[in-house]
Amino acid sequence: AQSVAQPEDQVNVAEGNPLTVKCTYSVSGNPYLFWYVQYPNRGLQFLLKYITGDNLVKGSYGFEAEFNKSQTSFHLKKPSALVSDSALYFCAVRAPNTGGFKTIFGAGTRLFVKA
Amino acid sequence: DGGITQSPKYLFRKEGQNVTLSCEQNLNHDAMYWYRQDPGQGLRLIYYSQIVNDFQKGDIAEGYSVSREKKESFPLTVTSAQKNPTAFYLCASSIGRSLGLASIYEQYFGPGTRLTVT
Repeated sequence: AQSVAQPEDQVNVAEGNPLTVKCTYSVSGNPYLFWYVQYPNRGLQFLLKYITGDNLVKGSYGFEAEFNKSQTSFHLKKPSALVSDSALYFCAVRAPNTGGFKTIFGAGTRLFVKA
Repeated sequence: DGGITQSPKYLFRKEGQNVTLSCEQNLNHDAMYWYRQDPGQGLRLIYYSQIVNDFQKGDIAEGYSVSREKKESFPLTVTSAQKNPTAFYLCASSIGRSLGLASIYEQYFGPGTRLTVT
């Protein structure tokens, strides 16, 4: 069965420091991986995705993520955190061979960036 | 929130009443989705629709119903059979009618409707 794990409920980082939000997945076949961000009482916004090709994917607002097939991970990173990055982050996976329209979301990681 | 509107933002209902949540998109997307968000549980898929006049149950469809009479609209009805309806409901859409291609496209989400049933 497909699954996504975000092992940290919360990540705290100081402004200006690098940040990492972790994600691991379990899916049969080649995964399509996504990161979304949610601000309070709002819908999710797409940040970036991995479909194929280069393992390092760059996305919106300076975020990037690295696909690691051997570790089945897709960690979200940013070299220098901003206070405005504080939000709830979701990792998600789609597996084409098990129903392309179904997306499995992780439980979310809350990021706090302190000034 | 990219061309998807949900109304109302907050909705209050008494137990035993059906309620319909609105979702409209002007992105010309074929696929539309309804999710339920509860604290600490991520998003769970209620229903999705690949094209007009077609929809499929997601993981937690019991107590919910949908229709897709127009490409732009995908309303969700929370019926009195839903045992725990209080939640944040999110509508989304994406490109892609065919099964294989749909997977690679990200979803665009509406601002959500917070439903409270007492």
